[in-house]
Amino acid sequence: DIQMTQSPSSLSASVGDRVTITCRASQSISSSLNWYQQKPGKAPNLLIHSASTLDFGAPSRFSGSGSGTDFTLTISSLQPEDFATYFCQQSYSTPPAFGGGTKVEIK
Amino acid sequence: QVQLVESGGGVVQPGRSLRLSCAVSGLTFSHYAMHWVRQPPGKGLEWVALISFDGSNEHYADSVKGRFTISRDNSKNTLYLQINSLRREDTAVYYCVTDRLFPGDLFSLYFDLWGQGTLVTVSS
Repeated sequence: DIQMTQSPSSLSASVGDRVTITCRASQSISSSLNWYQQKPGKAPNLLIHSASTLDFGAPSRFSGSGSGTDFTLTISSLQPEDFATYFCQQSYSTPPAFGGGTKVEIK
Repeated sequence: QVQLVESGGGVVQPGRSLRLSCAVSGLTFSHYAMHWVRQPPGKGLEWVALISFDGSNEHYADSVKGRFTISRDNSKNTLYLQINSLRREDTAVYYCVTDRLFPGDLFSLYFDLWGQGTLVTVSS
């Protein structure tokens, strides 16, 4: 099974900061990597799929990159509504594993 | 609009059984593969099970294989999860999720539309 490792597990940042979250797969998954945002008490929401494709309605300040085993989610200018937990997930093969999550908190 | 509404959660003793349901509306349910994903309180997400659009294919996480059964009734637009031999580590919010539909694919493994979740607490 493919394991997904996210870092950091949490970070503190200010509004307007550029934020980067990384995700590593235990083997190559091509570009089959998705990112989700989850706010407290809510279900996750698909932000980016196929490593770099912004999903419907996702703000353009979010971007994704990478292929193979190493991937990055970048928020170019953090907004108040972006404080949340972010999860990566591989869609290359079953079981479709998630990373452990990165909680983005207000500094 | 699209709605996925889970039900059937609650407090259950270890070793007992439970059946979760997910009523889906606002889309053609029979076209979509479906997943159950769970999240223990304060922790991360864990994929649990997948069923193809017609129910002919099922996949399970190793942690639930042999205890959980996913099924669907396309005539009722409803997804189910039968949970047997409950363990304390099964305590979680259980989400019903649609698989993103792509022409020609049996399933994409993209978690698209989510329900609000139903909490299962395993406790004596």
